[in-house]
Amino acid sequence: GQSLEQPSEVTAVEGAIVQINCTYQTSGFYGLSWYQQHDGGAPTFLSYNGLDGLEETGRFSSFLSRSDSYGYLLLQELQMKDSASYFCAVRDGRSGNTPLVFGKGTRLSVIA
Amino acid sequence: DAGITQSPRHKVTETGTPVTLRCHQTENHRYMYWYRQDPGHGLRLIHYSYGVKDTDKGEVSDGYSVSRSKTEDFLLTLESATSSQTSVYFCATGGTRLQETQYFGPGTRLLVL
Repeated sequence: GQSLEQPSEVTAVEGAIVQINCTYQTSGFYGLSWYQQHDGGAPTFLSYNGLDGLEETGRFSSFLSRSDSYGYLLLQELQMKDSASYFCAVRDGRSGNTPLVFGKGTRLSVIA
Repeated sequence: DAGITQSPRHKVTETGTPVTLRCHQTENHRYMYWYRQDPGHGLRLIHYSYGVKDTDKGEVSDGYSVSRSKTEDFLLTLESATSSQTSVYFCATGGTRLQETQYFGPGTRLLVL
C-alpha cells in the first residue's frame, strides 16, 4: 500500500515564501505530483517530480528526494490567490498502470 | 484543460434510493476515475477504468458500482444511497499509462437525507 503525510494547515504572509512538505510510503515509486484546489473548485495539476531534484515553474518549485521518500512544494512571492489546498500524490507502485493516491491536503492561507 | 463535464452538478436524494452520476470527456483519454472528497480525508478513489468495459476498485468502493460502455462516458452508481455517501464526487481522466497528470471535472455535490 501507500500513504502520504503532509501538514493540514499552513499560514503565510503575502509576498513571503512557504514550503509544504510531503513524506510518502509506497511499495514502488513512479514520481511525486502536486495539485492545487481552490475552495469550491476542482483540483488542478501543478507539478511532477520523477527524479531527484528541483523542478521550477514560475513562482512554484517542487523538490524530490527519493532516498528520503520526501518532497516539498515551494511557493515564492505569495499572493492572496495562492490561498488554496495543496495535495501531494503518488502512483500505487504495484505497476505504472494504477491511479494516483492523494494525501489529505494542506490548506494554505495567505494573509496580508 | 481536458473537456470533462459531470452531471448533475448538485443532487439531493433520500436514503435508500439509487443515484447515478455521469462523467463525460471529449479528450479520448483512456483512463477515467471517480473520487470522493470529504473534509479531513482528501481525495479518495472509488473506482477507475482503464478502457471500455475495464474497471477496477479503489480504496472506498463499497456501495458503489461503475460502468463504461463508451470511451467518453463513465458512470458511477450508488446502489442504495446512505447518508455516509454525502460528499463531493470528482471525475478525473488521464491519457497514457505513466502520465502523472490527471484532469478533474467540476465535481458533483451530493446530499443524501
